[in-house]
Amino acid sequence: AQKVTQAQTEISVVEKEDVTLDCVYETRDTTYYLFWYKQPPSGELVFLIRRNSFDEQNEISGRYSWNFQKSTSSFNFTITASQVVDSAVYFCALSGPRNNAGNMLTFGGGTRLMVKP
Amino acid sequence: DAGVTQSPTHLIKTRGQHVTLRCSPISGHKSVSWYQQVLGQGPQFIFQYYEKEERGRGNFPDRFSARQFPNYSSELNVNALLLGDSALYLCASSLGRAQSYEQYFGPGTRLTVT
Repeated sequence: AQKVTQAQTEISVVEKEDVTLDCVYETRDTTYYLFWYKQPPSGELVFLIRRNSFDEQNEISGRYSWNFQKSTSSFNFTITASQVVDSAVYFCALSGPRNNAGNMLTFGGGTRLMVKP
Repeated sequence: DAGVTQSPTHLIKTRGQHVTLRCSPISGHKSVSWYQQVLGQGPQFIFQYYEKEERGRGNFPDRFSARQFPNYSSELNVNALLLGDSALYLCASSLGRAQSYEQYFGPGTRLTVT
């Protein structure tokens, strides 16, 4: 079975600090996709990034960066110079061919990030 | 372009009642998935529909059912509501059902069962 673990349930930082959100996954698939979503207080899940299992290149998008390491089954997310607007719950998710429904997502429990001014 | 829309936004029901939630996907998207998110937890997969057929079902009882219409919109039905059904119900659409397609989520319907 697939599983995603986000061990940090809550993180609190002061604005401008860097913060890393951890994600560890389990799957027997050789082909799979990893995702990060942001859920602000409004409740809507906002897509941030998709990464396939064959692409271990790190990615940077503005203040956001992602580190994918297959050897440790981790897909960590770093926010540089955090801002109050980054406060939200962040979810890591996994999809793979063993799913009975194509791109069904298995989510982690989420990490609540609070950025204080 | 309009994103995924869901209605209603909020709903309060009594135990034993029935509820219908609605979802309109992004234009051009043929796949709709439903997720349940209990407070403090990650979303859990309920159903996926593609081209009006059920393509996947999560670990939910038969009280939960869904369908997809010719215009690709979808309804989620829950019968005999229980207190434990109180949750945010999220609808997501994608171009197709291949694992590479990212899902775009709607704002959700918050269901409270009293």
